[in-house]
Amino acid sequence: DAKTTQPNSMESNEEEPVHLPCNHSTISGTDYIHWYRQLPSQGPEYVIHGLTSNVNNRMASLAIAEDRKSSTLILHRATLRDAAVYYCILRGNNDMRFGAGTRLTVKP
Amino acid sequence: DAGVTQSPTHLIKTRGQQVTLRCSPISGHKSVSWYQQVLGQGPQFIFQYYEKEERGRGNFPDRFSARQFPNYSSELNVNALLLGDSALYLCASSFFIFNTEAFFGQGTRLTVV
Repeated sequence: DAKTTQPNSMESNEEEPVHLPCNHSTISGTDYIHWYRQLPSQGPEYVIHGLTSNVNNRMASLAIAEDRKSSTLILHRATLRDAAVYYCILRGNNDMRFGAGTRLTVKP
Repeated sequence: DAGVTQSPTHLIKTRGQQVTLRCSPISGHKSVSWYQQVLGQGPQFIFQYYEKEERGRGNFPDRFSARQFPNYSSELNVNALLLGDSALYLCASSFFIFNTEAFFGQGTRLTVV
């Protein structure tokens, strides 16, 4: 399975943008890049996914490098409710394989 | 619409016992996957079912088994429980198996003593 590499933790101030990086140098042409987040004591929650082009939805934006070997999840204005573990996952013709994720701390 | 529902929410079992966990997917979703999440780690893939057939299996021993019923609900069975099986067991449903958004339940917290 193609693997992803994320920083263990990141900090952000409330109301500021957050850029969460993910490296996936062994990505295949058919792999989609998915992001999920997990709040304390809850199951993972879908955030966004994309293939080649940048994607936007109500929760976040996903910026994908031209060579697709890295991507960045962008939270435009972090709130305290965005504090969670964020997982970057490559999903092709199989189910999702989670890594350790990035623990995001949001400071008031 | 109801989300993914899992039962029970919490469970305590003794080493060596057997346990059955249940999952009801979102209405219309035909795929169910199971994950084990040990404290402090990301979820680990156990099984994926689609249209009542096993479509994927993670690196778990044969003590773990699952099935999907005609109404697309699913059960995860674990035999001969070990202390190391203590974890949060998550169920996720999706409409299809490839590259679609997955919705997770709140999980079943299993404690083996």
